[in-house]
Amino acid sequence: AQKITQTQPGMFVQEKEAVTLDCTYDTSDQSYGLFWYKQPSSGEMIFLIYQGSYDEQNATEGRYSLNFQKARKSANLVISASQLGDSAMYFCAMREGWSSASKIIFGSGTRLSIRP
Amino acid sequence: GAVVSQHPSWVICKSGTSVKIECRSLDFQATTMFWYRQFPKQSLMLMATSNEGSKATYEQGVEKDKFLINHASLTLSTLTVTSAHPEDSSFYICSALPRGAGTDTQYFGPGTRLTVL
Repeated sequence: AQKITQTQPGMFVQEKEAVTLDCTYDTSDQSYGLFWYKQPSSGEMIFLIYQGSYDEQNATEGRYSLNFQKARKSANLVISASQLGDSAMYFCAMREGWSSASKIIFGSGTRLSIRP
Repeated sequence: GAVVSQHPSWVICKSGTSVKIECRSLDFQATTMFWYRQFPKQSLMLMATSNEGSKATYEQGVEKDKFLINHASLTLSTLTVTSAHPEDSSFYICSALPRGAGTDTQYFGPGTRLTVL
């Protein structure tokens, strides 16, 4: 069964608009962590934001925020005021369990393209 | 911030040869490192978890005799693709977990692109 589902293979957004990238997850663990990574064409994985399952507040990092809806098992990434440099692949990922040494499972990714 | 390097960044080799990829944590010690592979336009798939001083834990379907992992020190893990074949051509990425890390700190290397002719 898919643990992490990203239903949007590709998205086009006008520069300066906000964009929401969808992510749903499946786990029976009570303790888990959710991540978003950005992968530009160079291939490096850039950490964007993290949400722990026990965090009550939605995580925010600059223009990035994570819309965490635990009951619906969704962890959407919101990018405000999109920029041309935001064009990249975006991966949602999950780590099950409490240990930071537990493996991280990635979704299939969403390719975001920002139009000038 | 924490930096992870990989060497080489790209490599082209002939079928049947072995290739070693290094993953180094430059400014922190890493008790755990992870190795992923990524085929074009696909997601990252975890291959194995490497713990310093012990044997690596391989994911189901990953041949441990083909993908040899050695985590000999707290700053270095190596992945050796033995007897490489064209189907092993892929992007290999490592990540490193700092010693005593919190829940959100796993740092990725820049990746190594392997092409087997």
